[in-house]
Amino acid sequence: QQQVKQSPQSLIVQKGGISIINCAYENTAFDYFPWYQQFPGKGPALLIAIRPDVSEKKEGRFTISFNKSAKQFSLHIMDSQPGDSATYFCAASLRFGGKLIFGQGTELSVKP
Amino acid sequence: NAGVMQNPRHLVRRRGQEARLRCSPMKGHSHVYWYRQLPEEGLKFMVYLQKENIIDESGMPKERFSAEFPKEGPSILRIQQVVRGDSAAYFCASSPRGTSGSYEQYFGPGTRLTVT
Repeated sequence: QQQVKQSPQSLIVQKGGISIINCAYENTAFDYFPWYQQFPGKGPALLIAIRPDVSEKKEGRFTISFNKSAKQFSLHIMDSQPGDSATYFCAASLRFGGKLIFGQGTELSVKP
Repeated sequence: NAGVMQNPRHLVRRRGQEARLRCSPMKGHSHVYWYRQLPEEGLKFMVYLQKENIIDESGMPKERFSAEFPKEGPSILRIQQVVRGDSAAYFCASSPRGTSGSYEQYFGPGTRLTVT
């Protein structure tokens, strides 16, 4: 019940296309859902996050869509660029629990 | 504002030695989390600390691993009698939770531990 399942494991997108990564969770007590971007040899960087009282959040080219009833959330990267090539992790946490439960990660490659 | 700092960035230890990993949180952050990333795997929570308190250690292996966050100085993750399976990247994250109510966790660059 503490798991977060992420798909796909890897994704290849052409420059200018839309990258879509999906995550699903079981624990309805989760109430904070961040996405992290990680480049090789670096630490994860917080990209964008959402709370369940909002169905969508947009920051620049990055959008989180949240479906509370389906217990799913997704990251959309519009106008994908080669510089977006990285591993993306979704995560979830309990309001007062603190710890982040991470998905397995998606390796995104954006082809020029 | 400097980010989360971790040192050393790379650490090589022989089997049976001790490893000490240090983490200095962002200025104003009083909550520290440690995560481990095994090769080709995602990040796994290990422990959550506030100053002088362990809040959640549900992800810590029962033996050989310990963590502290003293009143003064960095947080320390200590691994005694390291084995090859401990080879991984260890990340520290900090959060201002409890002050501004923010949930965000900001990660450091990690310490890559190699056990030979």
